[in-house]
Amino acid sequence: DQQVKQNSPSLSVQEGRISILNCDYTNSMFDYFLWYKKYPAEGPTFLISISSIKDKNEDGRFTVFLNKSAKHLSLHIVPSQPGDSAVYFCAASARLTGGGNKLTFGTGTQLKVEL
Amino acid sequence: NAGVTQTPKFRILKIGQSMTLQCAQDMNHNYMYWYRQDPGMGLKLIYYSVGAGITDKGEVPNGYNVSRSTTEDFPLRLELAAPSQTSVYFCASRGTENSPLHFGNGTRLTVT
Repeated sequence: DQQVKQNSPSLSVQEGRISILNCDYTNSMFDYFLWYKKYPAEGPTFLISISSIKDKNEDGRFTVFLNKSAKHLSLHIVPSQPGDSAVYFCAASARLTGGGNKLTFGTGTQLKVEL
Repeated sequence: NAGVTQTPKFRILKIGQSMTLQCAQDMNHNYMYWYRQDPGMGLKLIYYSVGAGITDKGEVPNGYNVSRSTTEDFPLRLELAAPSQTSVYFCASRGTENSPLHFGNGTRLTVT
């Protein structure tokens, strides 16, 4: 049961254009969402996050939008740069009954920014 | 500041062999995690720890064991390696339960 889904395994965008990466989730208990970026042979690195009480969070070229009614979030990168080429993972956080929280990851989207 | 350090980077095991994947962090983080990533899949949580002396199972703990005797170290033990354990293993840590995870660079394990 994939609770966090990234339906596009890959995305190709021209340099300078907008990249839009999508993520859908099924568990309404998720209360915090994060995007991680991963280069080959490295671990994922945190990019940006959003609380479920907000619908938008912006950090420089990166903006995350959350649509709770649709259980959908997206990451916008504007303008896209070749260095943005990486795998992007969406992750969602839910509280555990025993305390703490658990992150559930999507399967990732490979972004390629072409010159 | 090294962050999260994983060793080894690569390892090939024969079926039935055992090994320990090492993970160390120098950020004084209480929370530590082990994930595995299979091709085309997201990261799956194997085990986690909320502090020294405390560990708990994640989604896919079978075939693995962990210990947390110090804040810095969180080794993952495979006792009887199986081909299904071929994967990339990531260790991660965070200072509080709501802060982002810091990942190591991973250990690529092949079991043949």
